[in-house]
Amino acid sequence: EAQVTQNPRYLITVTGKKLTVTCSQNMNHEYMSWYRQDPGLGLRQIYYSMNVEVTDKGDVPEGYKVSRKEKRNFPLILESPSPNQTSLYFCASSSKDLKIAGETQYFGPGTRLLVL
Amino acid sequence: GNSVTQMEGPVTLSEEAFLTINCTYTATGYPSLFWYVQYPGEGLQLLLKATKADDKGSNKGFEATYRKETTSFHLEKGSVQVSDSAVYFCALGGYSTLTFGKGTMLLVSP
Repeated sequence: EAQVTQNPRYLITVTGKKLTVTCSQNMNHEYMSWYRQDPGLGLRQIYYSMNVEVTDKGDVPEGYKVSRKEKRNFPLILESPSPNQTSLYFCASSSKDLKIAGETQYFGPGTRLLVL
Repeated sequence: GNSVTQMEGPVTLSEEAFLTINCTYTATGYPSLFWYVQYPGEGLQLLLKATKADDKGSNKGFEATYRKETTSFHLEKGSVQVSDSAVYFCALGGYSTLTFGKGTMLLVSP
């Protein structure tokens, strides 16, 4: 089944404790993104990747890091989480190839993060 | 830069009522337009999309037409069901970046 998976789905942590949220897709998509969803703000893009080893900042990159060492994986790293990073995080993947994705981004189930 | 404005919710309707959720946008160029739906406790699913002016996207009884002259992409459904209760997001962009509206919650009662 074609899908985007994220782990963990729920995470409670404390300020300053480094964490990683993993994201994996099995559709051979070259594009992957991270978004955060906050009440009243909708979804905002954090980072995106155009392919292996190629990443770029989205609208709200401060406090986050990403890496793309393999095509299928795009982990989100919070080196020193703070309470204002409490949010619902979504990973998404897509392809420029109209036959594969047709510009549509496919989303994972989300990771709910609480930073105390 | 790009931006999306959609009507604030919640929108409360009775089953079988007509639904309209307004969405307008500002953008450079001619991006693709999308409606995504988020059911309670779930991720986002693509509902429909349109890639160029005058295109109509449709799915599950929902429709939206890409109107370049009014920079709009309003979502409509002729007869809503309780199972349509969800948050609806209008978005523009494509494979690398999506700009979302703030979302509109729809509540449908029996």
